Amino acid sequence: GESVGLHLPTLSVQEGDNSIINCAYSNSASDYFIWYKQESGKGPQFIIDIRSNMDKRQGQRVTVLLNKTVKHLSLQIAATQPGDSAVYLCAESSSGGSNYKLTFGKGTLLTVNP
Amino acid sequence: NAGVMQNPRHLVRRRGQEARLRCSPMKGHSHVYWYRQLPEEGLKFMVYLQKENIIDESGMPKERFSAEFPKEGPSILRIQQVVRGDSAAYFCASSPTQRTYNEQFFGPGTRLTVL
Repeated sequence: GESVGLHLPTLSVQEGDNSIINCAYSNSASDYFIWYKQESGKGPQFIIDIRSNMDKRQGQRVTVLLNKTVKHLSLQIAATQPGDSAVYLCAESSSGGSNYKLTFGKGTLLTVNP
Repeated sequence: NAGVMQNPRHLVRRRGQEARLRCSPMKGHSHVYWYRQLPEEGLKFMVYLQKENIIDESGMPKERFSAEFPKEGPSILRIQQVVRGDSAAYFCASSPTQRTYNEQFFGPGTRLTVL
């Protein structure tokens, strides 16, 4: 079946380092990708999104890279801070009638050590 | 502008009881989505509703689960005769429109525990 998954379930970094969180997807029809941050006991919080006609998009301290050839998505966080500690979820949707239906990976737990 | 509201935040039910989960979308949003997050699993789409209409319920279990989004009031996810396997976090999201590229804003979730 089609799925979105993550290479690393956990990532531990030192404060100030850059973090890279990876995500693989299998649906070749996926054309919209989103990264969410989920803190303990809270709902997913939108971080950044990217469409399939792009390969890079930058936000504040975050960059998303999309490699459609290998169906790989990554989230880069610059100068990681303790407040960045959370589970990071990648999600995708496909164009067409069901474009509202987000498919999520299990998530990567990012721990930032002070 | 208040975000997506869900209540209760925590709900404990015994097997066989009914669970009612409520979701108020963000102001101006008329599209509501329910997702379920089982332990050790990712969020799974359950149902998509607009006011008074169920658009897509392909992710809902065939029995015991129902959802509504009335003209007035919050969206309700109802689980009848709950079983232990229903224990999960249930998240509601909303969006202003069903755009092609669809940013959904999530609520804090309701954590259901079935004893």
